[in-house]
Amino acid sequence: AQTVTQSQPEMSVQEAETVTLSCTYDTSESDYYLFWYKQPPSRQMILVIRQEAYKQQNATENRFSVNFQKAAKSFSLKISDSQLGDAAMYFCAYRSASGSGYALNFGKGTSLLVTP
Amino acid sequence: GAVVSQHPSWVICKSGTSVKIECRSLDFQATTMFWYRQFPKQSLMLMATSNEGSKATYEQGVEKDKFLINHASLTLSTLTVTSAHPEDSSFYICSARWARANTEAFFGQGTRLTVV
Repeated sequence: AQTVTQSQPEMSVQEAETVTLSCTYDTSESDYYLFWYKQPPSRQMILVIRQEAYKQQNATENRFSVNFQKAAKSFSLKISDSQLGDAAMYFCAYRSASGSGYALNFGKGTSLLVTP
Repeated sequence: GAVVSQHPSWVICKSGTSVKIECRSLDFQATTMFWYRQFPKQSLMLMATSNEGSKATYEQGVEKDKFLINHASLTLSTLTVTSAHPEDSSFYICSARWARANTEAFFGQGTRLTVV
């Protein structure tokens, strides 16, 4: 089974600064998808960014970007120009490209605090 | 588009009673729906996967007789917690797969269940 590890239970960043959240995963598959989800206090899961494993180019969505290192099985999230609204739990997630459908395997999460 | 609605948002029930949670895809047909459980300050754990018209597939350790899942139509899946006990108190989240959005699943807003 695939495992997703987020080694930072909590992170803090000042407004307008940059923060990087870490994620590593373990898999024997060659084709898969990786995601970062944001869960604010409302607990609604919000997709932040996705990465297809077969794509070498790192995904970017506005202030959010990833550093995908397939050989190292690392998938970190960089948040630039942090805003107060970025404060939330962030979950890294893995999905196989076949077989298990669209079920997601989540890491334990990182709580991000944004200070003024 | 791709909205998933979960109802109720929160529910309190007495120990020993059953409670039903609905998950609806409002503007697309969901061939597969997933049910997750999230304890406070923890990650989302997959409970079961349901495909329309067939029996749900439960993850190891999840009691299928306690957590009844019905996926009778392409827009509705239900999770019934039978004979609920205080340890069943948790946050339950559904997600749905839309064939046209090939890489991600869409989440409902979750249901907070409290058993007293």
